[in-house]
Formats: sequence, structure tokens, C-alpha cells
Amino acid sequence: DAGITQSPRHKVTETGTPVTLRCHQTENHRYMYWYRQDPGHGLRLIHYSYGVKDTDKGEVSDGYSVSRSKTEDFLLTLESATSSQTSVYFCAISGGTSGGENIQYFGAGTRLSVL
Amino acid sequence: GQQVMQIPQYQHVQEGEDFTTYCNSSTTLSNIQWYKQRPGGHPVFLIQLVKSGEVKKQKRLTFQFGEAKKNSSLHITATQTTDVGTYFCAGEGSSNTGKLIFGQGTTLQVKP
Repeated sequence: DAGITQSPRHKVTETGTPVTLRCHQTENHRYMYWYRQDPGHGLRLIHYSYGVKDTDKGEVSDGYSVSRSKTEDFLLTLESATSSQTSVYFCAISGGTSGGENIQYFGAGTRLSVL
Repeated sequence: GQQVMQIPQYQHVQEGEDFTTYCNSSTTLSNIQWYKQRPGGHPVFLIQLVKSGEVKKQKRLTFQFGEAKKNSSLHITATQTTDVGTYFCAGEGSSNTGKLIFGQGTTLQVKP
């Protein structure tokens, strides 16, 4: 498996509190992604990054922000968590957009419960 | 926006039976990828198809990319209990942004 570490792996929090999830990679891949996975919806892209300090929104970005100050770290922040953000969050990385470089490698996931 | 639909959502088969999942995109794709997620695990890359009409095989798994590059299928011959999991297709649009749009996935259960 690619060197991707997500932390924490599990978190329970209360509605209205801020939450930050971390994705750390040791592969020096250019692209990093945050997805959420919910039953019946597959994997939905929240935000992605195509370089340090370069980020863009995905299809379900409302209520989430991201930051990438270093190649290896991509942070996902829920400014004020809501119960609808209870989900499993996956980070993924890829090296580029041509040939096999656009294959995505996933972290182990973070299970977040917002009570 | 671009959508990728995948059917069926669930499939229960007896061990030894065949299994197929289908993927359809609302727009032409530059390539399509397939991933497998075991229960409790994370998605793992299986294969990528790039050319129109491409067919690739991995042992009992056969992957096809449609001529119009808008649909794809994964066929498993003679399923085994190790095939259990959720199979996702993921399409990349023609803009080559690195972004993938995932289908909803097909969850396969295999009865021994």
C-alpha cells in the first residue's frame, strides 16, 4: 500500500464543534483528495489539491474547508460539525494525470460520528 | 455536472456463479478505473481502461470499456468467497484534471 496515513482513525464529536482530519503521505504525490463515503452514494469528492496551496472544490464541499501547506499534508476541517457530516472520510493521492499516474491510492479512512 | 451511474447496487450470488456490474457515464470519459473495497477496508485500484472498446482480463475478472467511452463493465467468472466486497467504477472526464467521478458501487455477496 502507498504511504498514506489518516488521523484520527475514529472520532466522536458534538454538533457545532470544529473538527480537523489529517492526511499525511510519504510518496511525494502531487494530487491529494478528500472523499466521504455514505451508503448508497459511493465516494463523493469533497475537495482536492493539485499542489501546495492549490485546492479546489469537489461535488460536496459545503461545510468543509481544506489546507495544504506542505506536499505531504492535506487537512480537512469541518468548521462547525453537523450530524449530516457523520460519515467515513477517505484521503487519496495520485501522482499526475497521464498514463498510470492518475491512479488513486487511498488511506485507511476516518470514521467520524457527529452527535 | 458529470455523473457516473452504476448498477446493480447489490448482488447476491452462489459461489461459482458469474457476476457483472455495469457503469454508465453521462459524458465521454478519457479513461475509466475500477476499484475494489473489502468490507471494512479502503478502495484498492484494480485496473484502468483508456482505449475505446478496450478489454482487459485479470484471471477471472474481465473489464470492458465501451466504444463510445461512456460505459464500462466488470464481469467475474465463477465467483469465489474472496470476491466479496464493493466494486466501484470511476471515470475521468476529458479535461484530465486528475479528478475521478465514482459510481455508487456494487456490493457483491457470495454464498459458499
